[in-house]
Amino acid sequence: AQSVSQHNHHVILSEAASLELGCNYSYGGTVNLFWYVQYPGQHLQLLLKYFSGDPLVKGIKGFEAEFIKSKFSFNLRKPSVQWSDTAEYFCAAFNAGNMLTFGGGTRLMVKP
Amino acid sequence: EAGVAQSPRYKIIEKRQSVAFWCNPISGHATLYWYQQILGQGPKLLIQFQNNGVVDDSQLPKDRFSAERLKGVDSTLKIQPAKLEDSAVYLCASTGGLVRRETQYFGPGTRLLVL
Repeated sequence: AQSVSQHNHHVILSEAASLELGCNYSYGGTVNLFWYVQYPGQHLQLLLKYFSGDPLVKGIKGFEAEFIKSKFSFNLRKPSVQWSDTAEYFCAAFNAGNMLTFGGGTRLMVKP
Repeated sequence: EAGVAQSPRYKIIEKRQSVAFWCNPISGHATLYWYQQILGQGPKLLIQFQNNGVVDDSQLPKDRFSAERLKGVDSTLKIQPAKLEDSAVYLCASTGGLVRRETQYFGPGTRLLVL
């Protein structure tokens, strides 16, 4: 069965630090990948997605992610985080059965 | 455009009781999903509807969970009887078309605590 794994459960950064959150998936076929974010007290929102084309995907709020097929990875990056980026981040992938599978999430805390 | 609506937002029950959650998807969205998110984990799909038909319920514990979407619009998820391990956030999501791999839009969730 497909799995999505996120390496870091908790990340603490200071404002202006750079961010990289790891995501790996196990499925070897055509894969569609997402990063969702959940701000405190809010619902899950789409940050960015990869379906095809340019493997470097740009999303909202300055986030980007790079799809590296050979590494089965889809890491999320932001060059300079803000306090308002404090949230939980989820990587997700569609598998062969068209079921969206989520990673366990990474809680990011940005210190002002 | 209004988002996915869910109610109630919070529910506390005792084990062996029954509980029901309601979801109203984004207007016009044909496909509706119910997810279970246990604390510290990512959401896990329970059931997927397309209009009023079930597309995938392979991960729904059918001995105690049931869901319906009778008119192809809003949906109800029921747990009967509840167990302690059912404590979780129950998320509803919807997508607009009939394409299988679309961006899903999530509601705020219902947080269930089973005592």
